[in-house]
Amino acid sequence: DQQVKQNSPSLSVQEGRISILNCDYTNSMFDYFLWYKKYPAEGPTFLISISSIKDKNEDGRFTVFLNKSAKHLSLHIVPSQPGDSAVYFCAADAGGATNKLIFGTGTLLAVQP
Amino acid sequence: DAGITQSPRHKVTETGTPVTLRCHQTENHRYMYWYRQDPGHGLRLIHYSYGVKDTDKGEVSDGYSVSRSKTEDFLLTLESATSSQTSVYFCAISVGGRLDTQYFGPGTRLTVL
Repeated sequence: DQQVKQNSPSLSVQEGRISILNCDYTNSMFDYFLWYKKYPAEGPTFLISISSIKDKNEDGRFTVFLNKSAKHLSLHIVPSQPGDSAVYFCAADAGGATNKLIFGTGTLLAVQP
Repeated sequence: DAGITQSPRHKVTETGTPVTLRCHQTENHRYMYWYRQDPGHGLRLIHYSYGVKDTDKGEVSDGYSVSRSKTEDFLLTLESATSSQTSVYFCAISVGGRLDTQYFGPGTRLTVL
C-alpha cells in the first residue's frame, strides 16, 4: 500500500508559468517531507524540505506547501524554466533516528520553451 | 557533490550469478542506504546501515544482503541474481537523526538476463 502518492505521472507547462506538483500521504505520523529532483542517468538531488511545524517553506523559485489536515503537500516552481524538466519525487521521513524515507512514484515535469 | 561514488555504473549479468555493488563515501557519514528505482514504484529501500557492521532491512530486502566493514564503504550483494532484480540501484548517505537529508550517488544500472 503506497503511503506516499504522486497521482500525476506527468505534467507539462510552458516556460515562465507556474508548475504545481502534488503529493499525498496516508500516515499522519509523518512529520518531515522532502522533494528530490532527478535527471536521467543521474542520482536524485535534494531540492527542498518542510517540517510539519510549518505550512510553507520557500527557496528561490521553489516553494513547498504542507496541508496536514488534508495530508497533502505541493511543490510550486515559479517561474518554470526548461532546465526544471526532470522527474520530481516526494518523500516522507518514516520517523525514528534512522532517517528512513518513503518515496512517491514520481512526476515527470516537462517545461516547454 | 555529496562525495558518493558507486561502482560499477553499469553491469549486465546472467541469472543465477552473484553480483556485488559498491558504494563509497568520503563524508564519513554514519548512515548509508541502498535503494532500487523501478517504473511505477519510485525509490524503495532495500537495506540500510547505521554504523560499521550495523545494518537492517528495508522494504524490499528479499534476495539482497549487505555489508559494511568500514565507514566509507557499503556493499550490496545479490547472491543469485534474478531478472526481477534488473533495476537502477542508488546509494544514499546521511548524518542521521531527525529532520536530516539524504544525499544520493549517481546510481548503478543492473541488467539481469
